[in-house]
Amino acid sequence: EAGVAQSPRYKIIEKRQSVAFWCNPISGHATLYWYQQILGQGPKLLIQFQNNGVVDDSQLPKDRFSAERLKGVDSTLKIQPAKLEDSAVYLCASSFTAGQAHNLALHFGNGTRLTVT
Amino acid sequence: AQSVTQLDSQVPVFEEAPVELRCNYSSSVSVYLFWYVQYPNQGLQLLLKYLSGSTLVKGINGFEAEFNKSQTSFHLRKPSVHISDTAEYFCAVGKYNFNKFYFGSGTKLNVKP
Repeated sequence: EAGVAQSPRYKIIEKRQSVAFWCNPISGHATLYWYQQILGQGPKLLIQFQNNGVVDDSQLPKDRFSAERLKGVDSTLKIQPAKLEDSAVYLCASSFTAGQAHNLALHFGNGTRLTVT
Repeated sequence: AQSVTQLDSQVPVFEEAPVELRCNYSSSVSVYLFWYVQYPNQGLQLLLKYLSGSTLVKGINGFEAEFNKSQTSFHLRKPSVHISDTAEYFCAVGKYNFNKFYFGSGTKLNVKP
């Protein structure tokens, strides 16, 4: 099966500019996640979608970050305006719907490395 | 609330030596446990997972982990490491009903020749 697709792989922007990341999950995966991974740290959940609805966005800095998952498939994560501390790898992951324990696992894309200068 | 503690941020080891990467978790409910590996400039790849049943779980690349409920641990082991095992390893806890996952801070395994 095709894996989780993310683009772009790398992005360099200046502070106060805007940026958008795209993710296409594994076919049939209803749950989609965006994680932020700062250098030297584990992934931190930004937002979790179930189909096209938001399940958890408690750690999303909503004054500058936004995300959407139209039609319950692809998703975009946007930062506007970017700050220096947003430099990180942004990982998209997907999983089967809750209720299928034997399939429970996260499948990750290769991430987008964002550098804010 | 769930938390995951990886006690070692870096583990240096010589090639063909055994290794153990430690992971402890805290949770008030039953959880599911995972180990992921991250190679440079890549996403995280599932190594193995414990959902139920046998407490010794075997994964890819010769890794295995043992679930110890009384010690709330899920340590990762490999009897003989290779240079290619050099990567960062993340322990994670999953909550089944909500598809929620919580990650540790990672352990960098550096295999030396």
